[in-house]
Amino acid sequence: NAGVTQTPKFQVLKTGQSMTLQCAQDMNHEYMSWYRQDPGMGLRLIHYSVGAGITDQGEVPNGYNVSRSTTEDFPLRLLSAAPSQTSVYFCASSYNRAMSSYNSPLHFGNGTRLTVT
Amino acid sequence: AQKVTQAQTEISVVEKEDVTLDCVYETRDTTYYLFWYKQPPSGELVFLIRRNSFDEQNEISGRYSWNFQKSTSSFNFTITASQVVDSAVYFCALSENTGTASKLTFGTGTRLQVTL
Repeated sequence: NAGVTQTPKFQVLKTGQSMTLQCAQDMNHEYMSWYRQDPGMGLRLIHYSVGAGITDQGEVPNGYNVSRSTTEDFPLRLLSAAPSQTSVYFCASSYNRAMSSYNSPLHFGNGTRLTVT
Repeated sequence: AQKVTQAQTEISVVEKEDVTLDCVYETRDTTYYLFWYKQPPSGELVFLIRRNSFDEQNEISGRYSWNFQKSTSSFNFTITASQVVDSAVYFCALSENTGTASKLTFGTGTRLQVTL
């Protein structure tokens, strides 16, 4: 079991470039999410999905797009990178079955360190 | 709005000392869950514990123990006889019940440095 896999581990972009951060999980988790981690600010939720075809915004969604075409994959797209998006990005998943699982712990990937110059 | 406060930005202790990491939360939900995660220097996030709002019993797991007090909205984490391997950033988190999703609000973390 690989768990939650994120690629790439490191990425450097120039302002205005676009890219997609990949996230895949093999635990058949219905819930997936993206967080960014910045110094002194903890982790902040960007977008999340409760199943294929369903996505919603988190706390800091501006500048990011997501889609969920399969249960396994939840890519995060930066359409026009800005220096303010320099951060460490974490993908996380958890088991979700109606109300009984909203408390499920999140399983995190190892993160992607993104630098925008 | 939900909020998690970890007032201790950084703590330094000498190995074998006991250390307590504080976590104070705010929520309007009557049912909620609290979590602790560990982020070692390698960067991954490791789940440590989950506690629901109806269970105020303290929990002990080896050198780790957690004290949940609803009256003070606190969920503190104590490491007994700390070791160098405990050096990490520790995050407290609070779940928000939207009915369909697990949305966690994280504190800003406490960096624990354990030295010899």
